[in-house]
Amino acid sequence: KAGVTQTPRYLIKTRGQQVTLSCSPISGHRSVSWYQQTPGQGLQFLFEYFSETQRNKGNFPGRFSGRQFSNSRSEMNVSTLELGDSALYLCASSLRTGDEQFFGPGTRLTVL
Amino acid sequence: GENVEQHPSTLSVQEGDSAVIKCTYSDSASNYFPWYKQELGKRPQLIIDIRSNVGEKKDQRIAVTLNKTAKHFSLHITETQPEDSAVYFCAAIRGSNYKLTFGKGTLLTVNP
Repeated sequence: KAGVTQTPRYLIKTRGQQVTLSCSPISGHRSVSWYQQTPGQGLQFLFEYFSETQRNKGNFPGRFSGRQFSNSRSEMNVSTLELGDSALYLCASSLRTGDEQFFGPGTRLTVL
Repeated sequence: GENVEQHPSTLSVQEGDSAVIKCTYSDSASNYFPWYKQELGKRPQLIIDIRSNVGEKKDQRIAVTLNKTAKHFSLHITETQPEDSAVYFCAAIRGSNYKLTFGKGTLLTVNP
């Protein structure tokens, strides 16, 4: 079974721009979660989707948004980028909530 | 919301010694507690997990204990090896809110 994939792997943007990150879950997994990882804050939950519905959202500003498609692929969008948005963005998929989450390799976003 | 505290933030042991990492959680309704290992530059990977109806679980050199009354759980690694060196994250989730909350991580260094 192919693992979780994320594209692109690296991104460099400037302040004020917007960015879209993509995540393809393991086949059959319908739950996709997104996390922001930074050295100071660790892994912080952004949001979780299941069957195209956002079921929970973390404490991030409205500039962070996401969606899930009918094939369970998910995208997250960050608008009006700030320097502090520089981080590794990880997505993870699972069959159901409370099951093991399998992580993708992440997208390294650098905001200049 | 859920808050997960993890200690220590860094841990250095000699090869062959045991290592213990402790986490406390705030939401008494949390019912699933995974532990992830993240090697440098790699994605987090599940190493062991425990559910709230179990007090202890073991897998070869790794064990996890859960004390629901005190709301804490611990990771025990015996006979540590240099390849155990990594950052370890604990996490907790209440199935009904779909949000996995992570501790800040423990950098474990096993010295040969």
